[in-house]
Amino acid sequence: KNQVEQSPQSLIILEGKNCTLQCNYTVSPFSNLRWYKQDTGRGPVSLTIMTFSENTKSNGRYTATLDADTKQSSLHITASQLSDSASYICVVSDTSGTYKYIFGTGTRLKVLA
Amino acid sequence: EPEVTQTPSHQVTQMGQEVILRCVPISNHLYFYWYRQILGQKVEFLVSFYNNEISEKSEIFDDQFSVERPDGSNFTLKIRSTKLEDSAMYFCASMSGGELFFGEGSRLTVL
Repeated sequence: KNQVEQSPQSLIILEGKNCTLQCNYTVSPFSNLRWYKQDTGRGPVSLTIMTFSENTKSNGRYTATLDADTKQSSLHITASQLSDSASYICVVSDTSGTYKYIFGTGTRLKVLA
Repeated sequence: EPEVTQTPSHQVTQMGQEVILRCVPISNHLYFYWYRQILGQKVEFLVSFYNNEISEKSEIFDDQFSVERPDGSNFTLKIRSTKLEDSAMYFCASMSGGELFFGEGSRLTVL
């Protein structure tokens, strides 16, 4: 069964600190993996997309990694800011041709001053 | 920058009433989706729509749900007889180049 699991479920860090969020998936055949940021009560916004051949991709203070062999991805946030407080969702799509997206459970990040 | 727009932002309805949620996808996109997110839970797939027909639907998308593209711009989700458990945020998304673009959501509260 295609699944996407994220950890931790929630995380509290102090402003300025770094953190790493994890995503494990069992989606097959794999097409790509996305990280989305979702502010409370808002729609998800794409942060980065990783294809099979990419290991690392950065978007400002966000760096995503992908290990297609172990089916794991991480999202590293550097020098966190209060505005980083949100849910971070890992979304994996397969190559079945139906553009199907499997959503993870999300990690709720709270950045404290 | 083009965006997906959804209306209403919040709707309160009585159990058993019909609800229509509206979405205007990004104009040159061809694939459209509805997702649901119950408070505190993960985003759940409801239905995908391509070429004026449903391409895939989840088990959540039962006979109480329907989607339409009544004209060239709007994409609607109808719930015929709402239940308490339909209370959730409903997100519309359109897709281009494999990238999903989400609207801000419609919060549905069923009393």
